[in-house]
Amino acid sequence: EAQVTQNPRYLITVTGKKLTVTCSQNMNHEYMSWYRQDPGLGLRQIYYSMNVEVTDKGDVPEGYKVSRKEKRNFPLILESPSPNQTSLYFCASSFSGKGNEQFFGPGTRLTVL
Amino acid sequence: GEDVEQSLFLSVREGDSSVINCTYTDSSSTYLYWYKQEPGAGLQLLTYIFSNMDMKQDQRLTVLLNKKDKHLSLRIADTQTGDSAIYFCAESIVYAGGTSYGKLTFGQGTILTVHP
Repeated sequence: EAQVTQNPRYLITVTGKKLTVTCSQNMNHEYMSWYRQDPGLGLRQIYYSMNVEVTDKGDVPEGYKVSRKEKRNFPLILESPSPNQTSLYFCASSFSGKGNEQFFGPGTRLTVL
Repeated sequence: GEDVEQSLFLSVREGDSSVINCTYTDSSSTYLYWYKQEPGAGLQLLTYIFSNMDMKQDQRLTVLLNKKDKHLSLRIADTQTGDSAIYFCAESIVYAGGTSYGKLTFGQGTILTVHP
């Protein structure tokens, strides 16, 4: 089944403790993105990647890192999480970068205390 | 940069039509989308329209695009309680080569509540 998976789905952590949210797709997609969703703000893009070893900042990259060492994986790294990073995070992937072809993961709800 | 705006709440009675509105700022070649998010769930693409179209109909859904006013609407006919959800308008600019680099710009989301 074609899908985007994220782990963990729920995470509660404390300020400053490094964490990684994994994202994996099994569709051989070139484009992958991370978004965060906050009430009243919709979804905002954090980082995106056009291919292996090619990443770029989205609209709200501060406090986040990403890597794309393999085509299927695009982890989101929070080196020193802070409470303002409490949010719902979505990973997405697409073959050609077209929005109508994007597959979204199920979301990761992160709480930073 | 792109900016997409939506009203935050809409309440309708079951069986009535719902109209969710959205405005956007970019006038480039663009795709415009409507996504649905049910409580605790991910995003479901409902429909999309390219900026050279005026209207698209898909069963109970009708999308209208007014390019002059940069206004997009989603009409849901015969709204049901199962349509209660958050509806997001989004746009993606199409660059040379046909790609959008996987970037969608979302509105704030409209919470649709359907009363029996």
